[in-house]
Amino acid sequence: EAQVTQNPRYLITVTGKKLTVTCSQNMNHEYMSWYRQDPGLGLRQIYYSMNVEVTDKGDVPEGYKVSRKEKRNFPLILESPSPNQTSLYFCASSIQRGGTDTQYFGPGTRLTVL
Amino acid sequence: GENVEQHPSTLSVQEGDSAVIKCTYSDSASNYFPWYKQELGKRPQLIIDIRSNVGEKKDQRIAVTLNKTAKHFSLHITETQPEDSAVYFCAASLQTSYDKVIFGPGTSLSVIP
Repeated sequence: EAQVTQNPRYLITVTGKKLTVTCSQNMNHEYMSWYRQDPGLGLRQIYYSMNVEVTDKGDVPEGYKVSRKEKRNFPLILESPSPNQTSLYFCASSIQRGGTDTQYFGPGTRLTVL
Repeated sequence: GENVEQHPSTLSVQEGDSAVIKCTYSDSASNYFPWYKQELGKRPQLIIDIRSNVGEKKDQRIAVTLNKTAKHFSLHITETQPEDSAVYFCAASLQTSYDKVIFGPGTSLSVIP
């Protein structure tokens, strides 16, 4: 089954404790992206990747890191989480240039930083 | 940079009526405009999209129109049903940096049976 998976789905952590949210897709998509969703603000793009070893900043990259060592995986790293990073996070992928093609979203990761 | 506004933020309609959601964008270089539906507790899913070389696109009860001159695009849902209740997001993609996607803040649609 074609899908985008994220882990964990729920996470409660404390300020400053490094964490990684994994994202994996089995559709051989070139483009992958991370978004955060906050009430009233819609979806805001954090980072995106056009292919292996190619990443770029979205609108709200501060406090986040990503890597794309393999085509299928695109982990999101919070090296020192803060309470303002409490949010719902979505990973997405698309077959090509993500801005001009259908994006398939993962199930979401709800992160709470205390 | 690109900015996408969306109105209204909430919308209630009677079952069977039509619903219209409007979005405006700021960057005339944007060339791709998708609409996503997000049901409560679920992930966003694409329902329809339009590119800048097309003025209108329909898919059954859903249609999208684009006015490039005015820089706005709209989602039209006819004969609404309770299962249309969800949050709808519009988005715009920049041609000059067309891997970056900007979403509107969303419209919560409630269809009253």
